[in-house]
Amino acid sequence: SQTIHQWPATLVQPVGSPLSLECTVEGTSNPNLYWYRQAAGRGLQLLFYSVGIGQISSEVPQNLSASRPQDRQFILSSKKLLLSDSGFYLCAWRGREWRGEQFFGPGTRLTVL
Amino acid sequence: DQQVKQNSPSLSVQEGRISILNCDYTNSMFDYFLWYKKYPAEGPTFLISISSIKDKNEDGRFTVFLNKSAKHLSLHIVPSQPGDSAVYFCAASESAGNNRKLIWGLGTSLAVNP
Repeated sequence: SQTIHQWPATLVQPVGSPLSLECTVEGTSNPNLYWYRQAAGRGLQLLFYSVGIGQISSEVPQNLSASRPQDRQFILSSKKLLLSDSGFYLCAWRGREWRGEQFFGPGTRLTVL
Repeated sequence: DQQVKQNSPSLSVQEGRISILNCDYTNSMFDYFLWYKKYPAEGPTFLISISSIKDKNEDGRFTVFLNKSAKHLSLHIVPSQPGDSAVYFCAASESAGNNRKLIWGLGTSLAVNP
């Protein structure tokens, strides 16, 4: 069966510090991978998606970047965090043969102070 | 412009009764619709989906209805249980290449009262 891992679960970082959130998927090959953010009281905002190694598409202009160095690894980064980067970050994957179902990791709660 | 709309931010229902969560969409190219359930501080969990060629899909206590002419879908939970209390998200996608991004509503918070 497939599983998706995210870490850390919670993170408190000062403004201006770097960020690296990691997501890995097990039990599947060549998945589509997604990074979302949920701000307080809001819906899910798609930040990045990837259809393969080294292939990243950005959905919104922002202070963040993403990379996919391996087939089942997806990393969300920032060189300098802003207060507005606070939120709940979710990684998701989708099998190529499926219609649309995405499966989510447990999320990372990021607080920028 | 919100292509998927969940106009009720919250809903309160008594245990054992039916919960009906609604979702409207504007893009006629959407051909697949999904419902997710989310507890606080957890990732969303996939519940049920429906293709645009169907008007109903049922899975246990959960049934999704699709009215294409009205661009409306709804999720029925019968009977509702206290453990169903969560935020429910409606999402839609279109078959455009390999990506199949999901377009999300803002969610409806369901409270099932004992």
